[in-house]
Amino acid sequence: GQNIDQPTEMTATEGAIVQINCTYQTSGFNGLFWYQQHAGEAPTFLSYNVLDGLEEKGRFSSFLSRSKGYSYLLLKELQMKDSASYLCAVRDNDMRFGAGTRLTVKP
Amino acid sequence: DVKVTQSSRYLVKRTGEKVFLECVQDMDHENMFWYRQDPGLGLRLIYFSYDVKMKEKGDIPEGYSVSREKKERFSLILESASTNQTSMYLCASSTGTTSGGGYTFGSGTRLTVV
Repeated sequence: GQNIDQPTEMTATEGAIVQINCTYQTSGFNGLFWYQQHAGEAPTFLSYNVLDGLEEKGRFSSFLSRSKGYSYLLLKELQMKDSASYLCAVRDNDMRFGAGTRLTVKP
Repeated sequence: DVKVTQSSRYLVKRTGEKVFLECVQDMDHENMFWYRQDPGLGLRLIYFSYDVKMKEKGDIPEGYSVSREKKERFSLILESASTNQTSMYLCASSTGTTSGGGYTFGSGTRLTVV
C-alpha cells in the first residue's frame, strides 16, 4: 500500500521556526513535493526533492532522506501569512498526497 | 505562468443529474489530473491522463468518468450525481518529465449535490 503521514495540526509563533515532518511508504519514488494551500484556495508548489539532503529556498527549506522515507519542511521567520495547510506529496507514476498539516501562526 | 482554469468555482446540482466539470490548461502540458479534496482525507486521485484520448483510473474512479479529446482540456463527468460526491474538485497539469515536474492546480470547483 501507499502511505503518506504528516501531523494534522501545528501552531507556532510569529518570527519562530517550525518543522513539519512527513513520512512515506510508496511503491515507487520520483520525487517528494511540498505544497502550500491557503483556506479556500488551490495548492501551490513550494519545493521539490529527489536526492537526499536539504534544498533551501528563502525562508523555506525541505529535507529528504530516501532510505528513511522521511522529509521535513522547515519554515523560518514565520509570518502571519504562513498560516495555511502544507501538503506533502510523493511522485511515483502520479502524485500521492498526504492529508496535510494545518499550520496556525499566532502573534 | 502556467494557467489551469476550471470553468466553475461553485456548483449546486441535484441528485441524479449528470455533471460536467471542465478544466483547461494553456502550457501544452501532457499530463492532467482530477482530484477531490475532503477534510481529513487530503487529495485523492480520481482519474488522470498522460495524452490525448488516454485515461487511467486513480484511486477512487467509481461514479466518475473523464474525457480528453484535446490536449489542453480534461473533463470530469459525474454520470449520476450523489450526495457523497459533494466535495472540492481540483484539476492539475504537469509536464511529461519527472524532474521537478510539480503540478499546477486550478482554483477548484466546490460542488454541492442536494
